[in-house]
Amino acid sequence: SQQGEEDPQALSIQEGENATMNCSYKTSINNLQWYRQNSGRGLVHLILIRSNEREKHSGRLRVTLDTSKKSSSLLITASRAADTASYFCATVASGSARQLTFGSGTQLTVLP
Amino acid sequence: DSGVTQTPKHLITATGQRVTLRCSPRSGDLSVYWYQQSLDQGLQFLIQYYNGEERAKGNILERFSAQQFPDLHSELNLSSLELGDSALYFCASSVDGGGGGLGYTFGSGTRLTVV
Repeated sequence: SQQGEEDPQALSIQEGENATMNCSYKTSINNLQWYRQNSGRGLVHLILIRSNEREKHSGRLRVTLDTSKKSSSLLITASRAADTASYFCATVASGSARQLTFGSGTQLTVLP
Repeated sequence: DSGVTQTPKHLITATGQRVTLRCSPRSGDLSVYWYQQSLDQGLQFLIQYYNGEERAKGNILERFSAQQFPDLHSELNLSSLELGDSALYFCASSVDGGGGGLGYTFGSGTRLTVV
């Protein structure tokens, strides 16, 4: 079963604009991760934020985490056509379970 | 190249058959995870092994089984295949059991088509 939902399901923007994707989850977490997947390819780890962190940056990526609302957002600044891909959030639950549980994903299209 | 190797890349087989998917984790990683990705179910966790032992089980059908060998490579066995088993099967690895706050490295997947 999916951990939660991502919003929007699809997003289309112009090159140079910022893209924001949101993720909601259901259970207490140890950490939350964002992955990128180009069509039919493997997933690439982008960034990880721990449950005691509120914000994290990596290059053009900014991730926020609100554990009280069980939500996270991924911001990609100054988007490029090469950023076109599906983006998934995934959580590692608190406790003994350590596997990633994925959201439904956001399909981002960046138009040149 | 992510360092996680999955073979074969593509597999076409008939209903009722049995197939084996293979995964070699990134060097130094002890955990292997198997995921199934389909259009209707999204990314579903199947099973995790850590240093040869089963660590966690997800939505894995009884017709499916897996193991991790002493050299840490893993195999996912799918039997009595049905049309609905057609999907992308991903293997991922991590250095720890998943709670250490490190990302997972995914292979490029095996696309299984059951006809």
